[in-house]
Amino acid sequence: QKEVEQNSGPLSVPEGAIASLNCTYSDRVSQSFFWYRQYSGKSPELIMSIYSNGDKEDGRFTAQLNKASQYVSLLIRDSQPSDSATYLCAVNILSNFGNEKLTFGTGTRLTIIP
Amino acid sequence: DAGVIQSPRHEVTEMGQEVTLRCKPISGHDYLFWYRQTMMRGLELLIYFNNNVPIDDSGMPEDRFSAKMPNASFSTLKIQPSEPRDSAVYFCASSGLASVSYNEQFFGPGTRLTVL
Repeated sequence: QKEVEQNSGPLSVPEGAIASLNCTYSDRVSQSFFWYRQYSGKSPELIMSIYSNGDKEDGRFTAQLNKASQYVSLLIRDSQPSDSATYLCAVNILSNFGNEKLTFGTGTRLTIIP
Repeated sequence: DAGVIQSPRHEVTEMGQEVTLRCKPISGHDYLFWYRQTMMRGLELLIYFNNNVPIDDSGMPEDRFSAKMPNASFSTLKIQPSEPRDSAVYFCASSGLASVSYNEQFFGPGTRLTVL
């Protein structure tokens, strides 16, 4: 089982609709969760971080965390063509050496259809 | 703030040659990370440093890869000898300043490496 799993997509969503991106993780003690956006040919860009169970809203973005289910999601409201990108879920995983390190999912490719 | 700076942006080399990638982290950040991204494997952590000291190098693929951080403003990732399977985009990231935790990482533009 991969430590951080995402549906690779592609996920196609009409402009103006809500895009829902999902991520599951394997480490029960993880405390930090992040969503990065990566445009084609560019570097990952941090868009959301969440540390506590529940929802965190920032503009059109909402991150949802459920530690009991080991599940984190990202909702994008009023989707715009500029939201078309790959979204990477990243989770703080405790390594076998006892240190924490950020582990990325393989990403979900999102396409917003005008 | 200039952000994380990487050089070169593109590198094309022949198998067997030495490749050196360079990174300047954001000033004041005390963590530095090297990642490799490929279509097949996604974004993989190779090694990270805290206050110039390597903390976890378990992601370094093999002895051909080495990384150094001689001071707080400079790090290198070296591949010697290079092989075609090393072709990838290599990212450097840093964190530490004005971050809730060390994990809020800021990425450089990456170096696209092609080994022929």
